[in-house]
Amino acid sequence: GQNIDQPTEMTATEGAIVQINCTYQTSGFNGLFWYQQHAGEAPTFLSYNVLDGLEEKGRFSSFLSRSKGYSYLLLKELQMKDSASYLCAVTDSNYQLIWGAGTKLIIKP
Amino acid sequence: DAMVIQNPRYQVTQFGKPVTLSCSQTLNHNVMYWYQQKSSQAPKLLFHYYDKDFNNEADTPDNFQSRRPNTSFCFLDIRSPGLGDAAMYLCATSREGDGGKTQYFGPGTRLLVL
Repeated sequence: GQNIDQPTEMTATEGAIVQINCTYQTSGFNGLFWYQQHAGEAPTFLSYNVLDGLEEKGRFSSFLSRSKGYSYLLLKELQMKDSASYLCAVTDSNYQLIWGAGTKLIIKP
Repeated sequence: DAMVIQNPRYQVTQFGKPVTLSCSQTLNHNVMYWYQQKSSQAPKLLFHYYDKDFNNEADTPDNFQSRRPNTSFCFLDIRSPGLGDAAMYLCATSREGDGGKTQYFGPGTRLLVL
């Protein structure tokens, strides 16, 4: 079967750095997405990785290792507004998007 | 600004009373999706349209139907809502030819069934 694993919840301190991991087993791979979702709102696109390596976008970076079926989202200089769920999703060989259940990130002052 | 719009943002219906949720987009994307998302769960794909071609997920109940009269609009019809259908319903779009088929979401409609 197809599976995306990510931690259910993480806690971090304002101003710090946090890394949210995601591992996947899918039938084929056509890219990995990270979405941010605030409570009661829709997911918003953060990043897309299809090649191995690190993609940096301001305070957020996303890393992919296809051979390991592994990705992480790195958030730097955490702000209170970063409190949200972070969803990892993988596009399989049929371009179906397989979603993880999300990691709820709690930022403490 | 190009965007995905969903109306209404909140919908209250009675058990068994048909309800329609709407989605429109100004992105001119050819693919549109309907997802159901319950609290602390991943979005669950109900169906999607590739242009006018309708693709139903195998485990989507018959109670859920969809219409796409043109590129810009897509509707989700719930014929006889049950208590278990209370959820956030998300509409998303993507563009064929966009390498990753990034999906862009509307703000969602939260459905409450009484």
